Amino acid sequence: DVKVTQSSRYLVKRTGEKVFLECVQDMDHENMFWYRQDPGLGLRLIYFSYDVKMKEKGDIPEGYSVSREKKERFSLILESASTNQTSMYLCASSKREFEQYFGPGTRLTVT
Amino acid sequence: AQSVAQPEDQVNVAEGNPLTVKCTYSVSGNPYLFWYVQYPNRGLQFLLKYITGDNLVKGSYGFEAEFNKSQTSFHLKKPSALVSDSALYFCAVRGVKTNSNSGYALNFGKGTSLLVTP
Repeated sequence: DVKVTQSSRYLVKRTGEKVFLECVQDMDHENMFWYRQDPGLGLRLIYFSYDVKMKEKGDIPEGYSVSREKKERFSLILESASTNQTSMYLCASSKREFEQYFGPGTRLTVT
Repeated sequence: AQSVAQPEDQVNVAEGNPLTVKCTYSVSGNPYLFWYVQYPNRGLQFLLKYITGDNLVKGSYGFEAEFNKSQTSFHLKKPSALVSDSALYFCAVRGVKTNSNSGYALNFGKGTSLLVTP
């Protein structure tokens, strides 16, 4: 079975802090994705990566950056957390042409 | 742009009755369509996909979806609902490549909350 893990299920940070969200997949997938999920808005793509060190902006990249130094790991970075970044963050991975598999999510609260 | 719409925020159905969760799509070219389910405080789980072929696609947990090209729809169905089917359901469509080497992202609908009552 595909396994996508995220470093934290729940995270509480203060405004202005630098926040790292880590995602690891164990199926040698080329593609990895970061989404945020907010009630009534569904899932919105923040960034995705199709290879090591390669990244593409999604629909809402402002305030975020990403890093993919190894194929299995994809990090989402909030350079200076703000309260409007309080959300559920979901990581996913896929083979190049196929369906995505999701991690359990990280619920981030910024106070 | 490739997009999907889920016209219902919530669907209520009695246990044992058939259920339908609606999805319509707007794409250029052939659509690659997906359904996912999300249980409370969990990530999304893949249910089924339509790439090509039969219009009726069978998936996990007894779910199926009907692709209708003329109506640009991809509705999720189940003949007999269970209370444990209560969850949030997302329809998604594959996006377009931004360059020849990149993969495809998915564009999701806003989700439909399914409530199955005993």
